[in-house]
Amino acid sequence: SAVISQKPSRDICQRGTSLTIQCQVDSQVTMMFWYRQQPGQSLTLIATANQGSEATYESGFVIDKFPISRPNLTFSTLTVSNMSPEDSSIYLCSQKGGGENRDRSSYEQYFGPGTRLTVT
Amino acid sequence: AQSVTQLDSHVSVSEGTPVLLRCNYSSSYSPSLFWYVQHPNKGLQLLLKYTSAATLVKGINGFEAEFKKSETSFHLTKPSAHMSDAAEYFCVVREPNFGNEKLTFGTGTRLTIIP
Repeated sequence: SAVISQKPSRDICQRGTSLTIQCQVDSQVTMMFWYRQQPGQSLTLIATANQGSEATYESGFVIDKFPISRPNLTFSTLTVSNMSPEDSSIYLCSQKGGGENRDRSSYEQYFGPGTRLTVT
Repeated sequence: AQSVTQLDSHVSVSEGTPVLLRCNYSSSYSPSLFWYVQHPNKGLQLLLKYTSAATLVKGINGFEAEFKKSETSFHLTKPSAHMSDAAEYFCVVREPNFGNEKLTFGTGTRLTIIP
């Protein structure tokens, strides 16, 4: 298991502004992940955040809109920039389970509690 | 490419009766499969996982799932539903490519328990 915290837990923001979400994990991990869950929808991967390199973005997501930082092995931030009501979602971070020496095919991911963002 | 289909968006069962949540997957390789549960206003919790060992996988809270390669299915079951099982359930697939850790989520099944 893993202990993952996110700040803030929720926020209401005005359109055109930006919000930075913080994610802290309790063990050192190379990979962290950011997901979006739009209202009533499933989870979609935004990007993979590797420590020491640029984040890798999935199709449909760009760095200008969702800049990510990964300053060390236990922390990451996701910024939602120039927000619009369509950005209203739950944003979740996750880490890969197990250790670096485990069979990689068995890796699950553990998720933070999420940040519920409402853009007005 | 990997994908997963949850056949029912909503399932309702009476308390004490069996639960069946259906999931079919598509993968070019032998995938890893997971079930996650999301309670209202809570984070995602891992229920169980399949990673090419035993095809019948037992998870937490009395849930289990059986991997059937011939049917490309990974259905989630529980013998007797409890009120606390009411939640959203996600079937998830991951292909075992080193460096590709992407999870693909199904659209979810909302489980309602009738008292």
